[in-house]
Amino acid sequence: SQQGEEDPQALSIQEGENATMNCSYKTSINNLQWYRQNSGRGLVHLILIRSNEREKHSGRLRVTLDTSKKSSSLLITASRAADTASYFCATDTGFQKLVFGTGTRLLVSP
Amino acid sequence: GAVVSQHPSRVICKSGTSVKIECRSLDFQATTMFWYRQFPKQSLMLMATSNEGSKATYEQGVEKDKFLINHASLTLSTLTVTSAHPEDSSFYICSANRVTHNEQFFGPGTRLTVL
Repeated sequence: SQQGEEDPQALSIQEGENATMNCSYKTSINNLQWYRQNSGRGLVHLILIRSNEREKHSGRLRVTLDTSKKSSSLLITASRAADTASYFCATDTGFQKLVFGTGTRLLVSP
Repeated sequence: GAVVSQHPSRVICKSGTSVKIECRSLDFQATTMFWYRQFPKQSLMLMATSNEGSKATYEQGVEKDKFLINHASLTLSTLTVTSAHPEDSSFYICSANRVTHNEQFFGPGTRLTVL
């Protein structure tokens, strides 16, 4: 399977803490994207990082990419209860086909 | 922003029947749409790539005769699950690629339950 892997599978933290999720993938990529999914809902695009970029910020989100290790991380700072969701990385290897990681279920408690 | 809709949002059907799911890009044209399925607490798995005006490209292991895809226009793709069985019960999500942006926009998903 070409599917990427994420860890941890599940993460439980308190409001205000930071949450870090890691993604590893197997093939060369054009870009890597992070998505959020609330239970039983569609996906919301969070951030895209290109293969020639190493770090990107968007609000409370910070994404890093290490193409030599084929890995990426998503950091959510000062988490809120509303951040509770599943987070998926997805790699674009060309032709806009996305291969999703296994996902991290984040629970942020008030 | 770019909006993708799916219809229906939920469907329950009897085993052996066929179910059609629609995916529409509401405010942009999409030459390419993608269909994914997601089992509970699992990730999305790409089923097929739907191209306007041509046959869909199916991923390995996906039966093209069971999951019929039609991309009739630049704003509509349909997925028909033929002769559905309980193991086809899943969450089906479509996405549409807006050519001017290197980003896929996802529909809200369709929950299919086959009894």
